[in-house]
Amino acid sequence: GENVEQHPSTLSVQEGDSAVIKCTYSDSASNYFPWYKQELGKRPQLIIDIRSNVGEKKDQRIAVTLNKTAKHFSLHITETQPEDSAVYFCAALISSGSARQLTFGSGTQLTVLP
Amino acid sequence: EAQVTQNPRYLITVTGKKLTVTCSQNMNHEYMSWYRQDPGLGLRQIYYSMNVEVTDKGDVPEGYKVSRKEKRNFPLILESPSPNQTSLYFCASSFNPPTGELFFGEGSRLTVL
Repeated sequence: GENVEQHPSTLSVQEGDSAVIKCTYSDSASNYFPWYKQELGKRPQLIIDIRSNVGEKKDQRIAVTLNKTAKHFSLHITETQPEDSAVYFCAALISSGSARQLTFGSGTQLTVLP
Repeated sequence: EAQVTQNPRYLITVTGKKLTVTCSQNMNHEYMSWYRQDPGLGLRQIYYSMNVEVTDKGDVPEGYKVSRKEKRNFPLILESPSPNQTSLYFCASSFNPPTGELFFGEGSRLTVL
């Protein structure tokens, strides 16, 4: 099955700085890569996603880049704010025949220091 | 209001006592899935269902069962719970295939003594 590795596991940045979280995946058949944010005690929620036919996608202060050749994708958060503090999960979807399996990375605890 | 509802939200039980965690969604989603969340391990998929009567194993299915008799419901069954199944469980749903937002329930914290 798919294996998704996420780094770093913890990340602290000063408010206003940028944060970058990286993920690699193992199966070249993966074609959809979402990112989820989970605030403390809450459920994960989608913040941005990218499909395999696109190299980059941006939504205000967040962006995701995808390198299919290297099988890695990254989340970029600019001008970080305290409310960006949360756990972030990357994921990869593999479609094989009739199966559709979404595999998550192990998560990154982002702390934005005021 | 569009939502995924899980019950119970919190449960403490003992080894071997069968339990069921229910999951229901009101968005007419075909795809439903169960994940467990453990510190340092992220969200690991237990089972998923592409549609009614169609279920598949995820990455950690051992010790769990599921059924999908109706589109809106996807219960998770622990026939004989063990302490290593102590975890935070999330049910989620989306349209099929899940190349769009996966809607999560609020989570069910299970402790097996």
